[in-house]
Amino acid sequence: EAEVAQSPRYKITEKSQAVAFWCDPISGHATLYWYRQILGQGPELLVQFQDESVVDDSQLPKDRFSAERLKGVDSTLKIQPAELGDSAMYLCASSSGTANTGELFFGEGSRLTVL
Amino acid sequence: EDQVTQSPEALRLQEGESSSLNCSYTVSGLRGLFWYRQDPGKGPEFLFTLYSAGEEKEKERLKATLTKKESFLHITAPKPEDSATYLCAVKRTYKYIFGTGTRLKVLA
Repeated sequence: EAEVAQSPRYKITEKSQAVAFWCDPISGHATLYWYRQILGQGPELLVQFQDESVVDDSQLPKDRFSAERLKGVDSTLKIQPAELGDSAMYLCASSSGTANTGELFFGEGSRLTVL
Repeated sequence: EDQVTQSPEALRLQEGESSSLNCSYTVSGLRGLFWYRQDPGKGPEFLFTLYSAGEEKEKERLKATLTKKESFLHITAPKPEDSATYLCAVKRTYKYIFGTGTRLKVLA
């Protein structure tokens, strides 16, 4: 069964350091999402790509976060510098649907702890 | 404002004790309502998609229903392995809006 791949699964870093997360969506899925999930809350969208183009990054803290999907396949989310409040689960999801249809398929997530 | 509210926040059931989880929503231009299961430390796992009022979907002990204002996830004769957080999400145009989930604990 096709899956969304994410790495690393766990990352512990000190504040002010740089962190990067990688995601490989299900083959053929044009839409890729990065979500942040704080414990006890639902996922919140950080950025959405359609192929290599950004569709929505309105909730991405652009002073420290960046995301790219250069060839329209895999994607990287970077945080520089990390802050204590960035500790969370970072989830990548992909969808084959259009604006009218389609469920999200999530990866296992990357758990970030900032000390 | 688009909103998704799930209740209860937490639910403890005895094995075999059936119950329902609620997801109420206010969104213009609903493009689908989705249920996910999330185990601790893992990503959400897709369960169901519902598109129109009156629609029902079933999978093992789970049954999801949809009205114009809310969705229910019915759990029949749950087992301890059904323990998880159940998330509801609605899709509006290209955007998904998630609720905060219901944490379900099924006791043996």
